[in-house]
Amino acid sequence: GQSLEQPSEVTAVEGAIVQINCTYQTSGFYGLSWYQQHDGGAPTFLSYNGLDGLEETGRFSSFLSRSDSYGYLLLQELQMKDSASYFCAVNSARQLTFGSGTQLTVLP
Amino acid sequence: NAGVTQTPKFQVLKTGQSMTLQCAQDMNHEYMSWYRQDPGMGLRLIHYSVGAGITDQGEVPNGYNVSRSTTEDFPLRLLSAAPSQTSVYFCASSYSGRVYEQFFGPGTRLTVL
Repeated sequence: GQSLEQPSEVTAVEGAIVQINCTYQTSGFYGLSWYQQHDGGAPTFLSYNGLDGLEETGRFSSFLSRSDSYGYLLLQELQMKDSASYFCAVNSARQLTFGSGTQLTVLP
Repeated sequence: NAGVTQTPKFQVLKTGQSMTLQCAQDMNHEYMSWYRQDPGMGLRLIHYSVGAGITDQGEVPNGYNVSRSTTEDFPLRLLSAAPSQTSVYFCASSYSGRVYEQFFGPGTRLTVL
């Protein structure tokens, strides 16, 4: 089976940088995805790491270390609109298994 | 493109009733999936399909049926609703080689009394 751990809450101020960590245990692993969800709305895809290293998409970056079963999402130049829940998800080819999510609150 | 659409947006059922949640996508995606999300939790996979005529079970399939007769549609049937099925249900789709990048519908908020 799969299990993922990520912090339940993170708080940061506008303009700051925040890192959301994700550790996983899995029986089949192709990569790690990150999704954003505002107030129970539709989750939206942010980033994917199929290989070790850093992927950068604008203000967001994601990192993966397969040897450590660890990844993180880095959000830079935080804006109020970044307040949302962030989920890591293990891709096992035919399925995504999601973590419980990290609620990010951005303060003015 | 409408993307992924779901109906209804809200539904209240009584215990024992049955119903079908509708999901459709217009992106010609081979892969479609159903998740449920309970308060403070992540999404849990109920069923998924890798193409028309092919379905498989996810993490929490009990009490739900699916079928995939066309590429566009992937309905989820609740056979005999129970209060434990009160949840928000999301449908999603993707290209079969990009399951890591799924596009989600707006969700159906279901309450079972």
